[in-house]
Amino acid sequence: GAGVSQSPSNKVTEKGKDVELRCDPISGHTALYWYRQSLGQGLEFLIYFQGNSAPDKSGLPSDRFSAERTGGSVSTLTIQRTQQEDSAVYLCASRAGGPYEQYFGPGTRLTVT
Amino acid sequence: GEDVEQSLFLSVREGDSSVINCTYTDSSSTYLYWYKQEPGAGLQLLTYIFSNMDMKQDQRLTVLLNKKDKHLSLRIADTQTGDSAIYFCAESNDSGNTPLVFGKGTRLSVIA
Repeated sequence: GAGVSQSPSNKVTEKGKDVELRCDPISGHTALYWYRQSLGQGLEFLIYFQGNSAPDKSGLPSDRFSAERTGGSVSTLTIQRTQQEDSAVYLCASRAGGPYEQYFGPGTRLTVT
Repeated sequence: GEDVEQSLFLSVREGDSSVINCTYTDSSSTYLYWYKQEPGAGLQLLTYIFSNMDMKQDQRLTVLLNKKDKHLSLRIADTQTGDSAIYFCAESNDSGNTPLVFGKGTRLSVIA
């Protein structure tokens, strides 16, 4: 069946530009997570959506980062005025109800030049 | 805050056993996970263990949990070249709904 998909797979942008990264979770999954994987830094939690509850934004590194989840499905992570330190792989994951597996997408590799 | 630590590299010969170790600090960790990331791919859940368990075995994989020492290990028996990847230890607490806290990953290299 279809897994978590993300687009674009690669994005190169100039410093100062805004970017939008998209995540299509597995249909019916109520929870959606964004993580960032930087070289040598492991995976860092960014934001978490659970159903209709207010998102947990505690991991967002600055106010340049924001995310939306429309209709309880697709999510968009927006980074405004990108900086070189934003270069990383951005991973999205979704989860069905219960404390079980988070299914990860393949990620979007963002390079800020 | 919560922290998960792993060694960064491990090299083994094909056919040998691999043991990847992880320590964590959050005593309220309820679920502990091992994820595998192959080059250019997303993360794939290999196995998970509840904190009230000491051991879990699944084919070539054995997970050992020492809750007192907050130490988790993943043993891969008869390691194959296809096992070469980065292995991430992760933990979550409460009901497991909270975001995962990951280690930095252990890069396993299997030498033929």
